[in-house]
Amino acid sequence: DAKTTQPNSMESNEEEPVHLPCNHSTISGTDYIHWYRQLPSQGPEYVIHGLTSNVNNRMASLAIAEDRKSSTLILHRATLRDAAVYYCILRAGIIQGAQKLVFGQGTRLTINP
Amino acid sequence: NAGVTQTPKFQVLKTGQSMTLQCAQDMNHEYMSWYRQDPGMGLRLIHYSVGAGITDQGEVPNGYNVSRSTTEDFPLRLLSAAPSQTSVYFCASLSGIIGELFFGEGSRLTVL
Repeated sequence: DAKTTQPNSMESNEEEPVHLPCNHSTISGTDYIHWYRQLPSQGPEYVIHGLTSNVNNRMASLAIAEDRKSSTLILHRATLRDAAVYYCILRAGIIQGAQKLVFGQGTRLTINP
Repeated sequence: NAGVTQTPKFQVLKTGQSMTLQCAQDMNHEYMSWYRQDPGMGLRLIHYSVGAGITDQGEVPNGYNVSRSTTEDFPLRLLSAAPSQTSVYFCASLSGIIGELFFGEGSRLTVL
């Protein structure tokens, strides 16, 4: 299974943008890049995913490097509610391999008021 | 539409006891999985299923059994609980090959 590497922790200020990096140098051509976040005492929740092109949704943006070996989750204007552990995972876009999802340690994001 | 429902939310066991953590989803998802999360750690995959009658092992399957007799249900069984199995357990289901995972609220298990 392809691995991802994320910083253990990051800190930012409220109402400022946050860029959360993820390295995935062994990504294969069929792997999708997914991001989840886990708020305190809750189960993880989906944030965004992409394959090659940058993606935007109501929660965040995902910027994917041209060689796909790294990606960045962008929170455009952080709020205190964005304080969570953010996980970057790879998912194979083929039937057999699509199901075994492995979460790494994630990045603990702290937002200062 | 309840999503993914886990029961019980809290459980205390003595070493050697057995129990089953229940997981049900009402979204007709083929894929379901169980994760455990130890304090300060990320999620580790225990077992997963790609459909009724089909299960496979994840990263940390020892000490746990699963079965999938229906699309809706994916119970996790601890046959002889050990203190090392003290953890928070999350069940999840998947909406298609590239869709998103939906997680339950978690079951906090303590083994004394």
